[in-house]
Amino acid sequence: SQQGEEDPQALSIQEGENATMNCSYKTSINNLQWYRQNSGRGLVHLILIRSNEREKHSGRLRVTLDTSKKSSSLLITASRAADTASYFCATAVSGSARQLTFGSGTQLTVLP
Amino acid sequence: GAGVSQSPRYKVTKRGQDVALRCDPISGHVSLYWYRQALGQGPEFLTYFNYEAQQDKSGLPNDRFSAERPEGSISTLTIQRTEQRDSAMYRCASSPLAGGLVGETQYFGPGTRLLVL
Repeated sequence: SQQGEEDPQALSIQEGENATMNCSYKTSINNLQWYRQNSGRGLVHLILIRSNEREKHSGRLRVTLDTSKKSSSLLITASRAADTASYFCATAVSGSARQLTFGSGTQLTVLP
Repeated sequence: GAGVSQSPRYKVTKRGQDVALRCDPISGHVSLYWYRQALGQGPEFLTYFNYEAQQDKSGLPNDRFSAERPEGSISTLTIQRTEQRDSAMYRCASSPLAGGLVGETQYFGPGTRLLVL
């Protein structure tokens, strides 16, 4: 079953604009991760934020985590056509589980 | 070194046939994971290994699915008597550490797209 749900399911923006994607989850987590999947390629890890962190930056990426609302957001600033991809949040549930539980993804299209 | 590799990249088979999907993790990575991804969905966990030990197989949908990692490196996911509903992308991932950190970063391979006719 899907633990996380991304919102929106699809997003289309112009190059140079910012893109914001949201993720909600259901159970307590150890950490939350964002992955990108380009068409025909594998999943690439973007950023990991732990449950005791509220915000994290990596280049043009900014991730926030609100454990009280069980939600996270991914902001991509100054988007480029190459950012066109599906973006997934994945949670590591608290406890002994090692696997990641993925949401259904947001399809981002950046128009040149 | 090289990333996670999977073979074959594409597999078309007839219903009822057995298939074996191979995963070669990043050299030295201790943990290996198998996921299945349906079109338009995120990956769903199947099973994982630390070294050669299968630690969790709770995601395997039924007993037609099995996995092994006999020498703690390459892993094979086998689906017996395939059914059309088994059609999906099968992804393998590896991570460097065993035990300890929960939910560490996983490095994914390109996947094997399985089509059962």
